[in-house]
Amino acid sequence: KAGVTQTPRYLIKTRGQQVTLSCSPISGHRSVSWYQQTPGQGLQFLFEYFSETQRNKGNFPGRFSGRQFSNSRSEMNVSTLELGDSALYLCASSSGLADTSGELFFGEGSRLTVL
Amino acid sequence: ILNVEQSPQSLHVQEGDSTNFTCSFPSSNFYALHWYRWETAKSPEALFVMTLNGDEKKKGRISATLNTKEGYSYLYIKGSQPEDSATYLCAFRGGGFKTIFGAGTRLFVKA
Repeated sequence: KAGVTQTPRYLIKTRGQQVTLSCSPISGHRSVSWYQQTPGQGLQFLFEYFSETQRNKGNFPGRFSGRQFSNSRSEMNVSTLELGDSALYLCASSSGLADTSGELFFGEGSRLTVL
Repeated sequence: ILNVEQSPQSLHVQEGDSTNFTCSFPSSNFYALHWYRWETAKSPEALFVMTLNGDEKKKGRISATLNTKEGYSYLYIKGSQPEDSATYLCAFRGGGFKTIFGAGTRLFVKA
């Protein structure tokens, strides 16, 4: 069973640009969550998608957005990049169903550097 | 605002020492408490998922307990080994399907 796949693994952008990150969840999983990790910080929750709908949202500005496709693959977009957006972005998949424990399965992350 | 606190922030121990970490979380609207291990250059992986008050889970030298009424969980490592060096994350899952992580405890085990 393939794990969670994130692309690209590394990318460098400049301030003001925009970036799109992709996440393919484990087959059969319908929930995809996105987290940001910066040095000294834990995993900060960005948003969660379930069956193509944003079900939860963290406290990030509107420059951070996402979507989920019918095959459960998800993308997140950050527009007008700022230096502080440099971080590791982790995607996690789960079944997303109410009667499960919600265990998350993580991808290897996309490391974004903003210059 | 959901707040998940972990302590200590970091810990240095000698090989063979036993150690424990604390995670505190909201005591209302509880659904599950997760512990993850995050090794350098890898992805976080689940150690334990606990859902019932009083739950105790064990995997080899690592165990965890859960108290949902007072909102805390302990992770214990018996006889620490260098390969236990990692960041240990706890995560609170409430009724709204949102999973919120603590900042983690960074464990360094010296041989």
